[in-house]
Amino acid sequence: KQEVTQIPAALSVPEGENLVLNCSFTDSAIYNLQWFRQDPGKGLTSLLLIQSSQREQTSGRLNASLDKSSGRSTLYIAASQPGDSATYLCAVGGDKLSFGAGTTVTVRA
Amino acid sequence: GAVVSQHPSWVICKSGTSVKIECRSLDFQATTMFWYRQFPKQSLMLMATSNEGSKATYEQGVEKDKFLINHASLTLSTLTVTSAHPEDSSFYICSAPFMGTGNEQYFGPGTRLTVT
Repeated sequence: KQEVTQIPAALSVPEGENLVLNCSFTDSAIYNLQWFRQDPGKGLTSLLLIQSSQREQTSGRLNASLDKSSGRSTLYIAASQPGDSATYLCAVGGDKLSFGAGTTVTVRA
Repeated sequence: GAVVSQHPSWVICKSGTSVKIECRSLDFQATTMFWYRQFPKQSLMLMATSNEGSKATYEQGVEKDKFLINHASLTLSTLTVTSAHPEDSSFYICSAPFMGTGNEQYFGPGTRLTVT
């Protein structure tokens, strides 16, 4: 059974600082890895999808890397803004996704 | 991008009653949809896979007779929580894979169910 772990569970940074969010998974035979953002009481917004053959994806200030051999992915958010405050979820799988517990980020103005 | 909607966004019901939640893919067809449940301060847990035109498949520990799933068309799946109890209070979220972006999963906005 796939186990997904996200560290840290919570993170508070001043505005402008870069964010580094970590995700690890136990079964390296994954199809996709997806990063999501969830605001309180809301659904999920897909941020980045990394297919198993890829090593990274970039979108604006976001960059996600994937190292299947070590079972790790890292989400980098450059020059954080208060609007980046949310919970970030990592999920692995194909159609069926296994989720980590998330990292709750607070960016202080 | 692909859009998935859910209805209602929130619902309060009395213990013992049934509640139906709809999940729609608005601009694409989805032969498969997924239902997740999220308890407060916990992550999402997959409940079941909804298959258009056939029976849903349930994850271990999820009661199929309690959580009825119907996928009657390529754009609509419904989850009915039967004989709801307070412990069924949760955030229910559906998703659908969009083949146009490598089977990227698109999630609905979720339905907050409170059973009193």
